[in-house]
Amino acid sequence: DTAVSQTPKYLVTQMGNDKSIKCEQNLGHDTMYWYKQDSKKFLKIMFSYNNKELIINETVPNRFSPKSPDKAHLNLHINSLELGDSAVYFCASSQDLGGVRAAFFGQGTRLTVV
Amino acid sequence: EDQVTQSPEALRLQEGESSSLNCSYTVSGLRGLFWYRQDPGKGPEFLFTLYSAGEEKEKERLKATLTKKESFLHITAPKPEDSATYLCAVQAFGTGANSKLTFGKGITLSVRP
Repeated sequence: DTAVSQTPKYLVTQMGNDKSIKCEQNLGHDTMYWYKQDSKKFLKIMFSYNNKELIINETVPNRFSPKSPDKAHLNLHINSLELGDSAVYFCASSQDLGGVRAAFFGQGTRLTVV
Repeated sequence: EDQVTQSPEALRLQEGESSSLNCSYTVSGLRGLFWYRQDPGKGPEFLFTLYSAGEEKEKERLKATLTKKESFLHITAPKPEDSATYLCAVQAFGTGANSKLTFGKGITLSVRP
């Protein structure tokens, strides 16, 4: 019954590797997001997709490539991982309610690059 | 650029000791202000949306209020299970899905029994 689910929950990998994080939402929302939470707990948006179309790309290195096969799924692929990519990545989704979009978050993926 | 500042960074309360968490914001035009609760190792959990100055929302021991420059999350007679990080976010006017949430750094609340 999880509304926004992402896998894996933990990911430990070496520098230079390529990895993917998957996200699925069953809320019927039309927009999905990737947020990054750094070690100071600051949440910052990376990307958003609306009905499979990229809407927001917040000056994220092009090693990060989101892909949305359908409006219920948004995956994040990261190439050539660097130490600084270590963080918690959250997937979220929202629906337009009179122009207001409250985001609903997944449980996060803790990425550790060693 | 939209900005959200939350204070204090951390707050320790005794069980039953009421207090308020502050969220100050600057935004070109406020579409909505959101409060979230985040427990360690989990994703932010949606609490409230506030739309305009003067609005109030309540849920159990929490009450959120909004002015033109800030929002307060009042916690009445907190219990240890209210311990969490409370995040404030704003959504500015934009074109539909272009409207993103800008978050503050959060306030870590600890309630001692």
